[in-house]
Amino acid sequence: AQTVTQSQPEMSVQEAETVTLSCTYDTSESDYYLFWYKQPPSRQMILVIRQEAYKQQNATENRFSVNFQKAAKSFSLKISDSQLGDAAMYFCALRGSQGNLIFGKGTKLSVKP
Amino acid sequence: NAGVTQTPKFRVLKTGQSMTLLCAQDMNHEYMYWYRQDPGMGLRLIHYSVGEGTTAKGEVPDGYNVSRLKKQNFLLGLESAAPSQTSVYFCASSYINTYNEQFFGPGTRLTVL
Repeated sequence: AQTVTQSQPEMSVQEAETVTLSCTYDTSESDYYLFWYKQPPSRQMILVIRQEAYKQQNATENRFSVNFQKAAKSFSLKISDSQLGDAAMYFCALRGSQGNLIFGKGTKLSVKP
Repeated sequence: NAGVTQTPKFRVLKTGQSMTLLCAQDMNHEYMYWYRQDPGMGLRLIHYSVGEGTTAKGEVPDGYNVSRLKKQNFLLGLESAAPSQTSVYFCASSYINTYNEQFFGPGTRLTVL
């Protein structure tokens, strides 16, 4: 079975500082895809960043980057220079065999001014 | 492009009533999905479709039915609503390529009394 685990229900960061959200997963597939989605209070699901498992280079999108450790099945999200608008629920997700997404339970990120 | 739209945005039902949630996408995506989001549970897959006229069960299909008569529409039906079906429902769509992101609708908040 494919699973995704986010062990931090809540995190807090000071504005302009850096925070890392953790995610571990389990899959028997050799090639797969991982995603981080952001869900602000508006409820809209927004793609933050994605990673292909066969690519060793960590994905980066502006202030967002990942630390992908394939052997350890770890996929953490680093947010640099945190902004008030980054406050949201963050979901780690693994692409399932039917194209669906398997989500972790989420991490609620608060940003302090 | 409107992207993925969901109708209605909010609904309150009494136990035993029926209703249909409509999802529409204008991106010519082959794959469509219905998820439910409950507090502390992340998003879980209810049903999905890999093309017009096809549907399949996801992780939590009991109490729901779906239909995809047209490529752009994916309907989720509750034949006899139960309080356990109180949730936020998200529709999503994507291309066949597994690297492509899923695009999500704005969600429907359903309360069953």
